[in-house]
Order: sequence, then C-alpha cells, then structure tokens
Amino acid sequence: ETVLTQSPDFQSVTPKEKVTITCRASQSIGSSLHWYQQKPGQSPKLLIRYASQSISGVPSRFSGSGSETDFSLTINSLEAEDAATYYCHQSRGVPYTFGQGTKLEIK
Amino acid sequence: EVQLLESGGDLVQPGGSLRLSCTGSGFTFSSFAINWVRQAPGKGREWVSSISGSGDATYYPDSVKGRFTVSRDNSRNTVYLQMNSLRAEDTAVYSCAKSSNRNCGYDFDSWGQGALVTVSS
Repeated sequence: ETVLTQSPDFQSVTPKEKVTITCRASQSIGSSLHWYQQKPGQSPKLLIRYASQSISGVPSRFSGSGSETDFSLTINSLEAEDAATYYCHQSRGVPYTFGQGTKLEIK
Repeated sequence: EVQLLESGGDLVQPGGSLRLSCTGSGFTFSSFAINWVRQAPGKGREWVSSISGSGDATYYPDSVKGRFTVSRDNSRNTVYLQMNSLRAEDTAVYSCAKSSNRNCGYDFDSWGQGALVTVSS
C-alpha cells in the first residue's frame, strides 16, 4: 500500500502569502497524484490532476508539481476563500490512498 | 451540472447488511467509473471500492474485500454498494465520486455529499 504523508498538518497564513503543501509517497507513483480542496459542509473539489495538470474553473493561483515520490501544491497570493483542508490522492495502484489532509487557516 | 446523490445510509447492527445507492446526473453515466470513499469520525479518507463505466471491472481494498460488493445499473444511472457482515469499524460517511475516465484508476472529479452509516447495537 502506498502511504501518502502530507505536511504540514495545519498552517495559519495571511492573505496574499504564498503557501506550499507537500505530499510524500512511500513508493514511486509516477505522476498519478491529485489534489483536492474541501471546505466545511462541502464535498471535495478537484484542484490539480496528475501532479501538475490544471482543472478548468480552478483559479490560476493553484499549481502543482512533482513526480515519483515528492509532490507539492502551491497557492500563490492566498485569498480568504482558500481557507479549507487540502488532500492529496494517488491512483497509481490499488488500494488507492489519500493523504491525512492539511488544514489552512487564514489569519 | 454533474451531480451525485447518495442514499441508503442508516443505523445497522453489527453483522447486518445495508445497500447504498449513488445516482448520477448531468453526465453520460456509463462513460465513467464510480468510486466509493468513506471517512470515519476523526479519521482520514479511505477508498472503499471502484467500478468501471461498463461494470466489468471492480476493485476493493482488503479491509472490505469479500464483505462489500459494488455494482451498477446504467439504465438507472445508479451505482450500488452492498455491504454485508458490517462491523463497528465500518461506521463512516460514505461518499461516491466520479472518475474522469471509464476505467478505474483516475482522479475523482466530482463527489457526492455522503451518506452516514452507523454500525452499532
């Protein structure tokens, strides 16, 4: 099983800051890593697919990078509406797994 | 607009059975794989099952293999998750999620709101 470990678990940031969340896989998964945003009371929303592919309708301040075992989600010029929990997910092989989540608080 | 709606969540006794449904709209249902993901109180997300668009391929983690069965009726735009021999540790909110491809093993581009399953005596 591929374990995904995100860091940090929690981060408090100010608007307009740049934020980077990392996701480390316990074994190589190529680029089969996806990022989601979940706000309280809402279902998860796909932000980035296959490590770095942007999703239509997602603001351009969200970007992803990485491959094999090390991945990152970057949010440029953070906005108040970005307060949420962010998850990574690998679809390289079963069992598909998720990171534990990173909660982003906006000061 | 893509929509997924889960139903069937309930309180069930240990050892009992329950069937969840996931009904989709706003897309060509048979062209996409559907997945089930659960989140227990205070725990992380756990993938539970996947079924291809045609229904000819299904996948499960070891934690539910042999107890859970996923199926689909594309004429009704619905995927089912039959859960047998339920245990307390199966208590969770179960969500269905649409893949971006007819095959399994892709990103999950739309999610439902979830259905609560509580296993308790």
